[in-house]
Amino acid sequence: QKEVEQNSGPLSVPEGAIASLNCTYSDRGSQSFFWYRQYSGKSPELIMFIYSNGDKEDGRFTAQLNKASQYVSLLIRDSQPSDSATYLCAVNQAGTALIFGKGTTLSVSS
Amino acid sequence: EAQVTQNPRYLITVTGKKLTVTCSQNMNHEYMSWYRQDPGLGLRQIYYSMNVEVTDKGDVPEGYKVSRKEKRNFPLILESPSPNQTSLYFCASSFGTNNEQFFGPGTRLTVL
Repeated sequence: QKEVEQNSGPLSVPEGAIASLNCTYSDRGSQSFFWYRQYSGKSPELIMFIYSNGDKEDGRFTAQLNKASQYVSLLIRDSQPSDSATYLCAVNQAGTALIFGKGTTLSVSS
Repeated sequence: EAQVTQNPRYLITVTGKKLTVTCSQNMNHEYMSWYRQDPGLGLRQIYYSMNVEVTDKGDVPEGYKVSRKEKRNFPLILESPSPNQTSLYFCASSFGTNNEQFFGPGTRLTVL
């Protein structure tokens, strides 16, 4: 059974701080890694995707992938109250279904 | 506008009354999928489809049916709904399993 694990949180950070969200996965053959943000009652929306080891930056967001450790993370710099949401990690292998973690709830206080 | 649409958005029904939740995408995506989301359980895949006439079970397919007769549509059918199917349902589509999935707005289903 392929698994994607996330700490459910809540992760609480003050406004302006760096939020670090972590995700581990069980399938060593996984090739694609996604971070989605979901506001309460809304549909998930893509924040970042990463395919290769290392860091990928997009604005205030940085995704980090370490395939040897089967670990992917999302850093949010200069966190804002509007970043308060649940963040879903999703992982898949080519030709197979995307597997989602249960999500980490982030709360950014002003 | 590129989008995934679902209907209805909200539905309250009774046990055993067949229902269909429609899903349509206008992005020419080959891959479509249905998820249910429950508190503490996250997003769980019900069924997915790699292309027209190709469907496969996800993690929680019991009590659900799907069909993919056209590329753009992927309806979810509950032949005899039960209260444990009360949930928030999302349809999603993408070009392939390695690509970003676009989600519909969700359907909140309550089965009494």
